[in-house]
Amino acid sequence: EAGVAQSPRYKIIEKRQSVAFWCNPISGHATLYWYQQILGQGPKLLIQFQNNGVVDDSQLPKDRFSAERLKGVDSTLKIQPAKLEDSAVYLCASSLNLLKGTDTQYFGPGTRLTVL
Amino acid sequence: AQKITQTQPGMFVQEKEAVTLDCTYDTSDQSYGLFWYKQPSSGEMIFLIYQGSYDEQNATEGRYSLNFQKARKSANLVISASQLGDSAMYFCAMREGHGMRFGAGTRLTVKP
Repeated sequence: EAGVAQSPRYKIIEKRQSVAFWCNPISGHATLYWYQQILGQGPKLLIQFQNNGVVDDSQLPKDRFSAERLKGVDSTLKIQPAKLEDSAVYLCASSLNLLKGTDTQYFGPGTRLTVL
Repeated sequence: AQKITQTQPGMFVQEKEAVTLDCTYDTSDQSYGLFWYKQPSSGEMIFLIYQGSYDEQNATEGRYSLNFQKARKSANLVISASQLGDSAMYFCAMREGHGMRFGAGTRLTVKP
């Protein structure tokens, strides 16, 4: 079974530029999550989707970050414009169904963003 | 708000010995789930073990076991027979409702 796919793996941009990350969850997983992991910290949840609907985006800086999951499968996370403090690893995770059972989240390899 | 505390920034263990990584949590909910993830230097988060708040027995998965003490709100990870490949960051996490919160992590180094 294929795992969570993310691209690109690495991205370097200058501040005020825009950037987009892509995630394809495990097949059949209804729930998709985006996390931000700053160096030396644990992941922080930015947004979670159940199918194509947003369940929680309370920690997403909406003035510059946006995310969508239009067809309920893959998702994109965008930052526009980027700031120096956005330098982090962006992790995508998916789980079978937020509303059921243990709902273990499985993570992709992450995208390491460096903002200069 | 829920809170996860991992008080050990770094731990060392000799190969083949057991090690315990501490995790305490704070929640007012009765229903919650506790997770441990491993993050090697490659960056991917690898699921290790899960404990539900209503589970009466401690969870075990191969060399991993979770020492769940509900009254003390602790969920320590025990790794038996450490291997060099166990060197990584380890994160404790809690799901309460729809949210998921991670601790700051513990860096484990296994010495040969």
